[in-house]
Amino acid sequence: AQSVTQLDSHVSVSEGTPVLLRCNYSSSYSPSLFWYVQHPNKGLQLLLKYTSAATLVKGINGFEAEFKKSETSFHLTKPSAHMSDAAEYFCVVSDQAYKYIFGTGTRLKVLA
Amino acid sequence: DTEVTQTPKHLVMGMTNKKSLKCEQHMGHRAMYWYKQKAKKPPELMFVYSYEKLSINESVPSRFSPECPNSSLLNLHLHALQPEDSALYLCASSQGGEDTEAFFGQGTRLTVV
Repeated sequence: AQSVTQLDSHVSVSEGTPVLLRCNYSSSYSPSLFWYVQHPNKGLQLLLKYTSAATLVKGINGFEAEFKKSETSFHLTKPSAHMSDAAEYFCVVSDQAYKYIFGTGTRLKVLA
Repeated sequence: DTEVTQTPKHLVMGMTNKKSLKCEQHMGHRAMYWYKQKAKKPPELMFVYSYEKLSINESVPSRFSPECPNSSLLNLHLHALQPEDSALYLCASSQGGEDTEAFFGQGTRLTVV
């Protein structure tokens, strides 16, 4: 069975400092992994995805994530936080068609 | 065009009303989804349509009735809802393969009074 654990429910960073949002997964197969961002009262926007190609994945808005099979992790990073990055972030795993398993989310707060 | 369009954006309905939520995509995706999202929670899957046929129903109460008139449109018919059904309803679409991402609409904020 597949599952996702987002290790931090809330993360606060200062503007201009690095962001790290942590995600661990479990899957019986080779999973696809995704990070989505959701701003208040909005839909979900795909930041990046891993589908068994390069383990370091670059996404939109300067975000990237590294797939580490040995650690079953897919952490999201950004070198320098911007105020507009404040939002809810979801790590998602999928190893079956039509089934997307969501983590519980991490709320990112960016301090001026 | 990578958009999934949902209408209306906001909906307030009484417990005896009948209303419908609409979703449209023109990406040629063969799978379409309805999710329900409560405040501060991740989205929960309700229904999946694949090639216009209902393929997954996550034991959703019958007061929610999905419909897929064609490959681009997805509706969610609502009848006799309860206040606890108030939530953000998200539509999504995908190619349907095992390694394909889902594209989400902006959602309909539903309030049941």
